[in-house]
Amino acid sequence: KQEVTQIPAALSVPEGENLVLNCSFTDSAIYNLQWFRQDPGKGLTSLLLIQSSQREQTSGRLNASLDKSSGRSTLYIAASQPGDSATYLCAVISGGSAGKSTFGDGTTLTVKP
Amino acid sequence: EAQVTQNPRYLITVTGKKLTVTCSQNMNHEYMSWYRQDPGLGLRQIYYSMNVEVTDKGDVPEGYKVSRKEKRNFPLILESPSPNQTSLYFCASSSVWVNTEAFFGQGTRLTVV
Repeated sequence: KQEVTQIPAALSVPEGENLVLNCSFTDSAIYNLQWFRQDPGKGLTSLLLIQSSQREQTSGRLNASLDKSSGRSTLYIAASQPGDSATYLCAVISGGSAGKSTFGDGTTLTVKP
Repeated sequence: EAQVTQNPRYLITVTGKKLTVTCSQNMNHEYMSWYRQDPGLGLRQIYYSMNVEVTDKGDVPEGYKVSRKEKRNFPLILESPSPNQTSLYFCASSSVWVNTEAFFGQGTRLTVV
């Protein structure tokens, strides 16, 4: 059974710092990995989707990488801002489980002004 | 505006009283899914649907039913709710089940007393 782990569970950084969030998964046979943002009391917003054949995706100050063989993905946030404060979750769709998705518990990021 | 709409947003009910949480999307998406989010357990998939009349169990389907009679709607039915179903529920949709961005509803906070 696929398991997804995100470390750290919480992170606090000063504004302007570059940071990396980590996501690891136990079964490397995945179709894709997606990073989401969740604000308190709100739904999830998709940030980046990486297909299994891709190594990275970029959107603005965000860059997500994928290393399937080691079962890892990272989300890099450049020049962090207080508005980046939220919980970040990663999710995978695994091979052999068409339609099923598995989420990590998330990393709660606080960016201090 | 492209969106996934859940209703109600908040619901308090009593044990055993049947309820339905509705989910509707206006993007003509084939894939829809239900999740529950609990502290310490993260997001877990309840049921998903690859297309009209096609539904399948996620990781925690016990106590829930779904139906997909038309493309835009995917209601979640709790035939006899119990207190352990108190949770935050999310509906999501995507164009197809793989390699496409997922859109989430705003969530339904359910309390069963």
